[in-house]
Amino acid sequence: QQPVQSPQAVILREGEDAVINCSSSKALYSVHWYRQKHGEAPVFLMILLKGGEQKGHEKISASFNEKKQQSSLYLTASQLSYSGTYFCGTRADRGSTLGRLYFGRGTQLTVWP
Amino acid sequence: EAGVAQSPRYKIIEKRQSVAFWCNPISGHATLYWYQQILGQGPKLLIQFQNNGVVDDSQLPKDRFSAERLKGVDSTLKIQPAKLEDSAVYLCASRKVSGEDTDTQYFGPGTRLTVL
Repeated sequence: QQPVQSPQAVILREGEDAVINCSSSKALYSVHWYRQKHGEAPVFLMILLKGGEQKGHEKISASFNEKKQQSSLYLTASQLSYSGTYFCGTRADRGSTLGRLYFGRGTQLTVWP
Repeated sequence: EAGVAQSPRYKIIEKRQSVAFWCNPISGHATLYWYQQILGQGPKLLIQFQNNGVVDDSQLPKDRFSAERLKGVDSTLKIQPAKLEDSAVYLCASRKVSGEDTDTQYFGPGTRLTVL
């Protein structure tokens, strides 16, 4: 049930945009996005719920296509602080797994000045 | 509000030794998770507690790993005996089950274990 993330790695210049994708073969209740910097805990970015709206704050937003069981994370006008590994965590339909998340292998994002 | 606390932050042991990790979740969070994160991979769930009961330990190698959350607050994860392949970061996360924001898991800083 592990979701598949793409691409595996992205290298950007400051100010450029990036899209990170997450797809699952299972029906999903929610998709959770985290950013992890080297040696630190994953930091929660946002959650997208089935039937919910696209989320976003500042220059990071995300969408959830329920028909395709896919989510995309959009980073606009990237900043140096955006560097890190981005993970999506997926949760199957609510009735089954008591909140268990399956995480993808991550997308490593590097932003250069 | 204090975040999820974990200790120790780093641990180096030799194979066949024992090790224990401690986690204190965010106050009021009934659900607690232990994850294993191997270098270059995403976190993988080992065990999930709700209050002091286990709700999912299907991925826990029970021949060597054990975990408890006796009073429904802090938790301990133990490995005995450790193998080389147990080298990883062990992350603890917690989540509330009532009120707002019941879907979000918050992670602690993790314990980096190296088995030599």
